[in-house]
Amino acid sequence: GAGVSQSPSNKVTEKGKDVELRCDPISGHTALYWYRQSLGQGLEFLIYFQGNSAPDKSGLPSDRFSAERTGGSVSTLTIQRTQQEDSAVYLCASRPADSPLRNGYTFGSGTRLTVV
Amino acid sequence: AQKVTQAQTEISVVEKEDVTLDCVYETRDTTYYLFWYKQPPSGELVFLIRRNSFDEQNEISGRYSWNFQKSTSSFNFTITASQVVDSAVYFCALINYGQNFVFGPGTRLSVLP
Repeated sequence: GAGVSQSPSNKVTEKGKDVELRCDPISGHTALYWYRQSLGQGLEFLIYFQGNSAPDKSGLPSDRFSAERTGGSVSTLTIQRTQQEDSAVYLCASRPADSPLRNGYTFGSGTRLTVV
Repeated sequence: AQKVTQAQTEISVVEKEDVTLDCVYETRDTTYYLFWYKQPPSGELVFLIRRNSFDEQNEISGRYSWNFQKSTSSFNFTITASQVVDSAVYFCALINYGQNFVFGPGTRLSVLP
């Protein structure tokens, strides 16, 4: 597709359950980011994938959070044993490899996660 | 460390008024980029502008204009003759080489008819 696609758009889950959030970046974009936006808050960096390099996981808030990127394309963010404080919009962004700072990042519409 | 501050949490204006959204940043790097993004109620982040640290020329695009001043580490965004469709949360962001974005907390703009 033309843009970054995220699924599901909305997810309601019970506390303690695991969830998987999916991101399909723009074809050919080698860099992929996950961010979290809690209600009324700014954007919080979670994890960054760049090509075949080891991901930058420095933003993951706990070991319940993990992410993988298969084949350098689709990424899945997994949250285990969800807690109510995990409720947020999870945004994915991608960018091409060339001179990254010159390009605006393209964001998906996000997955709104509600933990009840 | 890098930081972006948007001191205005919420702003309300009446349609056709001009409004300026403030952005102040901190970085030790000499090469960096600044961005503004718009997040309408639909949630998607829409890219508005990027500026590199070596280009302080102000920019105007239709009703939007940006004022970049390195001396005060500010990158302010002005909407002229605001419209209801401008209602959104606006994020200022900073990035330097090899780093991810650092976003400001956002300013919620409400344009009332």
